[in-house]
Amino acid sequence: EVQLVESGGGLVKPGGSLRLSCAASGFTFSNAWMSWVRQAPGKGLEWVGRIKSKTDGGTTDYAAPVKGRFTISRDDSKNTLYLQMNSLKTEDTAVYYCTTESLSSAFDIWGQGTMVTVSS
Amino acid sequence: DIVMTQSPDSLAVSLGERATINCKSSQSVLYSSNNKNYLAWYQQKPGQPPKLLIYWASTRESGVPDRFSGSGSGTDFTLTISSLQAEDVAVYYCQQYYSTLSYTFGQGTKLEIK
Repeated sequence: EVQLVESGGGLVKPGGSLRLSCAASGFTFSNAWMSWVRQAPGKGLEWVGRIKSKTDGGTTDYAAPVKGRFTISRDDSKNTLYLQMNSLKTEDTAVYYCTTESLSSAFDIWGQGTMVTVSS
Repeated sequence: DIVMTQSPDSLAVSLGERATINCKSSQSVLYSSNNKNYLAWYQQKPGQPPKLLIYWASTRESGVPDRFSGSGSGTDFTLTISSLQAEDVAVYYCQQYYSTLSYTFGQGTKLEIK
């Protein structure tokens, strides 16, 4: 079964750090371009950033609100995607989803999400 | 960034009737080299992650009922549900993946039963 399972969410104070993980199974993770998408409570979807497969360079791109604070990485030996979040702000409070890009580049597989709350 | 604007923000349709959601991009998402529109539609039900319905603006994802269809090209797109079912109550999002440096979603359209 194709599956993505996020973990690592929780409550953190403004200015703090948190690392999210996304465990993949049921597909060839090393070939996949992976993204993080977030959704603030009661709001819409916001793309956070993406990492390409190593065969495609392994490069990352980020949305403007998180650039310089968030870092996406991957460990293909563990089939796991990471999101390191530093200098967190209250506006980073959201459910964070990991997702894959299909051959069409649309997001075809999604995890259930993990909640991050930034509050003092 | 390419800005995606959906209309309406919310919509109430009777069971069995047609529902139409529009999406407009601030610049064309048609890639001339392959003549494909880099536009997707997603459905999100409460407490669930989004689900891919349509990609390339008009190609249904495997398993998606054929009452869902997508149309449009360039900057103007439409998601149509031909005969609304109770299970179609959800929020629907369009998304452009033309700009690989920054993907963007529409603000969402909430679909309810009238």
